[in-house]
Amino acid sequence: DVQMTQSPSTLSASVGDRVTITCRASQSVTSSLAWYQQKPGKAPKLLIHDASSLESGVPSRFSGSGSETEFTLTISSLQPEDFATYYCQQYDDYSPYTFGQGTKLEIK
Amino acid sequence: QVQLQESGPGLVKPSETLSLTCTVSGGSFTNYYWTWIRQTPGKGLEWIGFIYYNGFTRYNPSLNSRVTMSVDRTKNQFSLKLSSVTAADTAVYYCARQTSTLVPPDHWGQGTLVTVSS
Repeated sequence: DVQMTQSPSTLSASVGDRVTITCRASQSVTSSLAWYQQKPGKAPKLLIHDASSLESGVPSRFSGSGSETEFTLTISSLQPEDFATYYCQQYDDYSPYTFGQGTKLEIK
Repeated sequence: QVQLQESGPGLVKPSETLSLTCTVSGGSFTNYYWTWIRQTPGKGLEWIGFIYYNGFTRYNPSLNSRVTMSVDRTKNQFSLKLSSVTAADTAVYYCARQTSTLVPPDHWGQGTLVTVSS
């Protein structure tokens, strides 16, 4: 299996801050990397696919970059509704698709 | 806007079979891959597998021997069966839609908690 490792596990930040979350793959997943946002009691919401392509309706303060084994999700100016848990997922290899363990973004 | 809704028992006894159904509404059922994913506090998000509308399946190798998925195109539904369950199978189960195997799931159901306990 491709192991996905996110860092940090928890991130404390304030409204207006710029934050970056990192996701590393144990082997190359080319650009087949997605980012999700999950709020308590809700299903994950797809934010970004193909490492850097923003889903329709997702605010432009979210951006993704990277390829092969290292990827980042950046939120340029945190808004109150952005405090949530974020997950990366590789879909380069469906034997099996795998997720990172999550990064909880908390209010400082 | 496509919507997915999971349904099934919330409590399953150990060694029995977990059965869930996902009903798709508001969109086409054909030409999509229909996916099951589960989430536990301990293991996080785990992909269980997908089934194409024509019945083609791929399962997570770690669950392959216990998983069966099926589709009912007449009802716009797809189903998951997980046999010989243990407490480790207690999770929130999500159904989701993929446009192809080369893109991530873009629409998810709200999830349903299944507890394995006697």
